[in-house]
Amino acid sequence: GAVVSQHPSRVICKSGTSVKIECRSLDFQATTMFWYRQFPKKSLMLMATSNEGSKATYEQGVEKDKFLINHASLTLSTLTVTSAHPEDSSFYICSASTEPEQFFGPGTRLTVL
Amino acid sequence: AQKITQTQPGMFVQEKEAVTLDCTYDTSDQSYGLFWYKQPSSGEMIFLIYQGSYDEQNATEGRYSLNFQKARKSANLVISASQLGDSAMYFCAMSPNSGYSTLTFGKGTMLLVSP
Repeated sequence: GAVVSQHPSRVICKSGTSVKIECRSLDFQATTMFWYRQFPKKSLMLMATSNEGSKATYEQGVEKDKFLINHASLTLSTLTVTSAHPEDSSFYICSASTEPEQFFGPGTRLTVL
Repeated sequence: AQKITQTQPGMFVQEKEAVTLDCTYDTSDQSYGLFWYKQPSSGEMIFLIYQGSYDEQNATEGRYSLNFQKARKSANLVISASQLGDSAMYFCAMSPNSGYSTLTFGKGTMLLVSP
């Protein structure tokens, strides 16, 4: 299947700083990318859907000013956690869709001290 | 709105035996897709199997099969001949319109395979 990468795989940052997570589709062009958040021992919760060249669609309860999503090209989407706080610590997973399939990245573990 | 329910927080099975992981769903859509993903401790999500709501036959992929009972709104995953490497978290998910678009996930079932 197609490969989706995420960078970094792990990041530790201080409270108040911003962190950028990249999601790349390595061998295909993704019309749509999704960002999920997963708490320990919990399911994945969709945060937002992004289409290349347009604004992301955020799920209810997700702060768009805090979780900035930029889908700059058909192979790259970024999630920036702005002014991170300890409660933002989580596992963030992206997925990239090329109809009819969806492929997941390996995830990024964010720890905010 | 779509909802996925996985009632088994954890399951144990012995190596080489079969195991069924339960999944029920709720949707008002006529057309939808059902998925199972495996998440090992590394965190990556691994696609296992897909069933479209209009598919008449149950999906099978190697040792994985999906027991699709539309009237009951259930989509149980059957793993035959369990292997130690099958120990992982398993998520049932669904999407609208039988496509691979926005996924709604269940809470997951942790499967432990013992020797």
